[in-house]
Amino acid sequence: NAGVTQTPKFQVLKTGQSMTLQCAQDMNHEYMSWYRQDPGMGLRLIHYSVGAGITDQGEVPNGYNVSRSTTEDFPLRLLSAAPSQTSVYFCASSWGRNVGGGYTFGSGTRLTVV
Amino acid sequence: EDQVTQSPEALRLQEGESSSLNCSYTVSGLRGLFWYRQDPGKGPEFLFTLYSAGEEKEKERLKATLTKKESFLHITAPKPEDSATYLCAPQNQAGTALIFGKGTTLSVSS
Repeated sequence: NAGVTQTPKFQVLKTGQSMTLQCAQDMNHEYMSWYRQDPGMGLRLIHYSVGAGITDQGEVPNGYNVSRSTTEDFPLRLLSAAPSQTSVYFCASSWGRNVGGGYTFGSGTRLTVV
Repeated sequence: EDQVTQSPEALRLQEGESSSLNCSYTVSGLRGLFWYRQDPGKGPEFLFTLYSAGEEKEKERLKATLTKKESFLHITAPKPEDSATYLCAPQNQAGTALIFGKGTTLSVSS
């Protein structure tokens, strides 16, 4: 099993550009989520999905958009990149809300907005 | 408001020198508390889930414990390969998010 796969691993954007961060899991997990990690701060939830066709906002959703058309994929869209969105982005998945085995995280996408 | 505080921020140990990491949390209706290990440039790696006060989990040199307001990660006789950032994350009441602390960065020297 590949687990959670994130692409790209690194990306540099200019202010105002848009892009999509890809996340795919092959574990048939219902729950998927996006976090961002900034220096000196804990991981913060951006958006999450409890199943195909269902998404909701997390703690820091502004400037990001998500959709969940399949169980496997949960892309994160930056609509108009800003320097404040420079961060490391992690996608995570799990079976559901009661997750004794924890969430499985991808290896991250390091995004720089100039 | 749900909050998580981890201490210390950084910890340097000699190989074999045991210590503990602290995670203080304020979360309504705790569903579970997770511990993760994160190596530089990588995603968090799951270590333990704790559900109720008094519960303990062990894995090699690590033991996690839980009270109603705190969790501890005890490291016994650490080795250099235990060097990493350790993250504590209670799950919110709705079960839709993990609330992460800032982490404790552990460095173990030989």
